Amino acid sequence: AQSVTQLDSHVSVSEGTPVLLRCNYSSSYSPSLFWYVQHPNKGLQLLLKYTSAATLVKGINGFEAEFKKSETSFHLTKPSAHMSDAAEYFCVVSDPSGGSYIPTFGRGTSLIVHP
Amino acid sequence: DTEVTQTPKHLVMGMTNKKSLKCEQHMGHRAMYWYKQKAKKPPELMFVYSYEKLSINESVPSRFSPECPNSSLLNLHLHALQPEDSALYLCASSPLGTSGVNEQFFGPGTRLTVL
Repeated sequence: AQSVTQLDSHVSVSEGTPVLLRCNYSSSYSPSLFWYVQHPNKGLQLLLKYTSAATLVKGINGFEAEFKKSETSFHLTKPSAHMSDAAEYFCVVSDPSGGSYIPTFGRGTSLIVHP
Repeated sequence: DTEVTQTPKHLVMGMTNKKSLKCEQHMGHRAMYWYKQKAKKPPELMFVYSYEKLSINESVPSRFSPECPNSSLLNLHLHALQPEDSALYLCASSPLGTSGVNEQFFGPGTRLTVL
């Protein structure tokens, strides 16, 4: 069975400082991993995805994530936070366990950006 | 057209009402999903249609009834709901069916309040 753990429920940073949102996964297969962002009262938007190509994945809005198999991690980073980055972030894993590729969501990390 | 649309944006209904939520996509995606999301929580999967066939039903109460009239449309029929069913209902689609890895595209959601 697949699972995903987001290690922090809240992360607080100042504008202009780096962002690190942590995600660990568990999978019996070679998983695909995704990060989504959700602004208040909105739907989810895909930031980036890893599907067994390059381990360093670049996404939208300056975000990137590195797939580390040895650490079963897929942490999300951004060099410099912007006020508009304040939102909920979800790490998602997908593999063929159970016979179909149904995504499993992490609990979410709320990113707070201070001026 | 690269978006998923949902109507209505907001819905208030009594426990004896019957109402429907609608979701539409014109991207040719072959899987469509219904999620329920409570405040500060990740989306919870309710139903998945893959190639217009119901492939996943996550033990959802029968007061929720999904329908997929064609490959572009997904409905969720609501009847005799309870106040605890109040939530944001998200629709998503993905290019492949559930037999392959693919990212999801989310609609903005319908905010449902049950009185």
